[in-house]
This record gives sequence, C-alpha cells and structure tokens, in this order.
Amino acid sequence: QKEVEQNSGPLSVPEGAIASLNCTYSDRGSQSFFWYRQYSGKSPELIMSIYSNGDKEDGRFTAQLNKASQYVSLLIRDSQPSDSATYLCAVTGTASKLTFGTGTRLQVTL
Amino acid sequence: DTAVSQTPKYLVTQMGNDKSIKCEQNLGHDTMYWYKQDSKKFLKIMFSYNNKELIINETVPNRFSPKSPDKAHLNLHINSLELGDSAVYFCASSQDRQDYEQYFGPGTRLTVT
Repeated sequence: QKEVEQNSGPLSVPEGAIASLNCTYSDRGSQSFFWYRQYSGKSPELIMSIYSNGDKEDGRFTAQLNKASQYVSLLIRDSQPSDSATYLCAVTGTASKLTFGTGTRLQVTL
Repeated sequence: DTAVSQTPKYLVTQMGNDKSIKCEQNLGHDTMYWYKQDSKKFLKIMFSYNNKELIINETVPNRFSPKSPDKAHLNLHINSLELGDSAVYFCASSQDRQDYEQYFGPGTRLTVT
C-alpha cells in the first residue's frame, strides 16, 4: 500500500464547476496535510494546509480532513482554465518528513 | 525577489561525470530540502538540513552528497552519474524542522546521456 494515494486522473471538469480531488494516507499518526499545485514544467506551489478535522476554506479552495477515515480532499469552486494543473497531496507522518502522493491531473475545459 | 533559487536550470551530461546543483533561499528559513521528481512525477525527499545539520538522509546512493555551507545554501553533488539519475531535482525550504509548509525552487532538470 502506498503511503499517500491519489487518483492520477486526468479529472476533467467544465469551467465554473466544482472540482473534487481526493487523497488517502496510510499512517494513522499523520498530523499535517497539504495540497500543492504543480503546473507543467514548474515547481510545486503550496496552496492549502490543514491540521485538524473538518473544513478549511481559502477563497475558491476548501480542504477537508477526516482523520478517522484517513482521507483528505480539496474542492475547487468555480473552476477556471488556469486551475488546470497537477495537484499533489502531501502528508507528514511519524517519520517527520513530508510524503507526497503521485498527484491528480486536473483539466478544466471551456 | 526569488525566494528559493537553483542553478543550473538545465543540466545535460554524460554517464560517469560528476556534477553539482546549487540552491539558495532568501526567506530566512532554517530548514532546506532536496527532492527528486522522476518521469512519473513522483516527488520524493532525498535530504534535509536544519541550520547546516543533516536531519533527513533517505535511502539514496552514496554518489549523492549534500552540503550546506550555511543555512541559506544547500548544494547537491552527484558523482559518477548514471542514466537513472535523470530527473528533476527540487530544492525547498521551510521556516524550521517542525514547519512542513515548504517552498520550492524552480527545479533543475538533469539529463544523463
């Protein structure tokens, strides 16, 4: 079992729709959870962090965490073509390092 | 101002050569990292330094040697390059070793022929 799992996609959503990106993790001791966005040929960029169960909203982005289910998600409201990128889920575990998933490629279509 | 910078951006070299990648951050962070992103886009940590002290050393061939002359700089030297070393190498930094909000440099695309 991979430490952090994501569906590789591509996830295709029409402009203006809600994009839902999901991530599961295996280490029950994980404490910190992050979403990074990576455009093709560019470096990962931190867009959301979440540390406790529930929802955290920042503009069009909402991160959701459920530690009991070992599940973290990212919702993007009013998706724009500029949101087309690969979204990386990252989790800190008991090893005190950041472990990344392989990413979900999001395509927002006109 | 660039927060985390790396040089060079592209590196093409032949098998067996030795090469170095340099990283600098001007964020005043204490902790720096080297990551490798392979062709399948999997991003994996290699090393981490906190205020010049090595704190993470993943299972990486000993041909890879990091060096941190001060807390704003972290370099990566690779000896006897192999085809499998071809990847994008990212440097990152965070405020300290307990802060996992990391900021990445632009990456160095290494191609070994």
